[in-house]
Formats: sequence, C-alpha cells, structure tokens
Amino acid sequence: EAQVTQNPRYLITVTGKKLTVTCSQNMNHEYMSWYRQDPGLGLRQIYYSMNVEVTDKGDVPEGYKVSRKEKRNFPLILESPSPNQTSLYFCASSPRQGTNEKLFFGSGTQLSVL
Amino acid sequence: ELKVEQNPLFLSMQEGKNYTIYCNYSTTSDRLYWYRQDPGKSLESLFVLLSNGAVKQEGRLMASLDTKARLSTLHITAAVHDLSATYFCADSNSGYALNFGKGTSLLVTP
Repeated sequence: EAQVTQNPRYLITVTGKKLTVTCSQNMNHEYMSWYRQDPGLGLRQIYYSMNVEVTDKGDVPEGYKVSRKEKRNFPLILESPSPNQTSLYFCASSPRQGTNEKLFFGSGTQLSVL
Repeated sequence: ELKVEQNPLFLSMQEGKNYTIYCNYSTTSDRLYWYRQDPGKSLESLFVLLSNGAVKQEGRLMASLDTKARLSTLHITAAVHDLSATYFCADSNSGYALNFGKGTSLLVTP
C-alpha cells in the first residue's frame, strides 16, 4: 500500500532532550516536506527536500534539522526541544513538487515538550 | 507577505443545505489545492485546480478557481453529516511549498 509513515504517533518529552521523528514513503517520491499544525494557525512548513541531499528551509525552520540521505526517508530532528515546539507534525511527499502534484500526508505525530 | 485567507473559519450548517467556503490568496500562483482533515486524522487531498476557470466536482463538493480575482470556492451541495471536517485551501508559492490557509471547520447537523 502506497503510504507515508511517521513514527512515533505520540511523543512526550522534556525540554532539551534530543529527539527524532521519522518519516518514510514507499512511493519513490522526490519531494518530501515537514509541516507543523497549531490551533488557529493552520499548517506551516518547516523544511522541505527536493531530492536526496537537497533540503531547504520553509517558513518556520528555527529549532529543527532535517536530512535526506535516502530518497524514502526524511527524519525531523529536534536537537534541544522547547515547549513552543509542542505541536502536531505532519510529513508529506509528492512525486515532484512544482509540477502540480498533490501532497500525500503521513498520519501525524503529536509532540508535547514539557 | 504571502497569505491564504479562508472564510468562514467556522461553519455550522444543517443537513440538506448549501453553502460556500471562500479562499483568497495573495500570490500570483495559478494553482490551488483543497484538502480535508477529519478530527485527529491526517490531511487528504480533495482537489487540485490548475488554471483559471477550473472547476472540479466530487460528490457534493465542487471547487472552482478564479486566478484573476485570486479566489477559489468550495461549494457544498445538500450537506450530509459525513462532510463534517476541517477544509484547507493552499496555494503554491514558487512551486516548492504549499501555503495553507487556517482551515474552515465545518459541522453538519441534523
């Protein structure tokens, strides 16, 4: 089944403790992206990747890191999480962004930073 | 500042009624996307509108795009409870990111 898989689904952590949210897609998509969703703010893009080893900042990249060593994986790294990073995170992919392709979203990761 | 504004943000409507959600965007993009999100769930693509005058329909939902007015509409015909969800529109700035609106929470009541 074609899908975008995020793990974990829920995560509670403490300030400053490094964490990684994994994202994997099995559709051979070139484009992958991370969004955070906060009440009243909609979805805001954190980072995106056009292909392997090609990543760029979105609208709210501060406090986050990403890597794209393989086409299928696009992990989101929080080196030193803070409470303002408590949010619902979505990974998404598409065959090639910029060519009218729709995004396929993962199930989301609800992160709470205490 | 790039902006996508949806109107209304909250909508409660009775089953069987019609209503329209509006999406204004500020970029010169000629493509517009509509997504649906059920509570506690992920986002699902509904429509991709690629050119001025584009109209797409799926069941009781119909989306249209007017690039000159920078306006897209999502029209709901004879609403049913299953349509209760949050609907997002998004435009594409530079083609490498989707710029989302804040979403319209729709509740369809008997």
